[in-house]
Amino acid sequence: GENVEQHPSTLSVQEGDSAVIKCTYSDSASNYFPWYKQELGKRPQLIIDIRSNVGEKKDQRIAVTLNKTAKHFSLHITETQPEDSAVYFCAASHQAGTALIFGKGTTLSVSS
Amino acid sequence: SAVISQKPSRDICQRGTSLTIQCQVDSQVTMMFWYRQQPGQSLTLIATANQGSEATYESGFVIDKFPISRPNLTFSTLTVSNMSPEDSSIYLCSVAQQGTGELFFGEGSRLTVL
Repeated sequence: GENVEQHPSTLSVQEGDSAVIKCTYSDSASNYFPWYKQELGKRPQLIIDIRSNVGEKKDQRIAVTLNKTAKHFSLHITETQPEDSAVYFCAASHQAGTALIFGKGTTLSVSS
Repeated sequence: SAVISQKPSRDICQRGTSLTIQCQVDSQVTMMFWYRQQPGQSLTLIATANQGSEATYESGFVIDKFPISRPNLTFSTLTVSNMSPEDSSIYLCSVAQQGTGELFFGEGSRLTVL
């Protein structure tokens, strides 16, 4: 089955810096790669996703890149703000709408 | 976006008892998923529940311990049977949005087993 590895487990940055979180996956049949943000005590919420026919996707300060050959995908957050502090999870599945397998999460701390 | 209601939101249970968690969605969905999130950990898929068929369980999870019902396209239950302290966790229901395939999560049911 699918296995998703995520690094780093914790990340501390200064406000305004960029943050990068990286994931690798094992199942070459995976084609859908979402990123979720989970604030303390709340449910995970989708922030951005990418499908295998796209190499990069951007939404304001957030971007995701995908390298299917290397089975890598990454989340990039620019101009970080204190409200970006949360746990971020990457995930993978064969297609959107099917069960997701999650990475172990990255706790991002943005200090002002 | 799908609106998902889970009950109970939290409960404290005695060892050896069972608890059923309910998940209600405001629209019809084909697939529903049950996840477990232990304190400070990631989300682990327990099973996928399709209406009208047996749930499909992931490795490490069995039907006798986590029986699931899916009587219609808007509702599902997960039972945690014969609970032990190791079952203390947050259990989350998730559904896929029709069209986009985005997975939405309920607020979770926090179980503490004493």
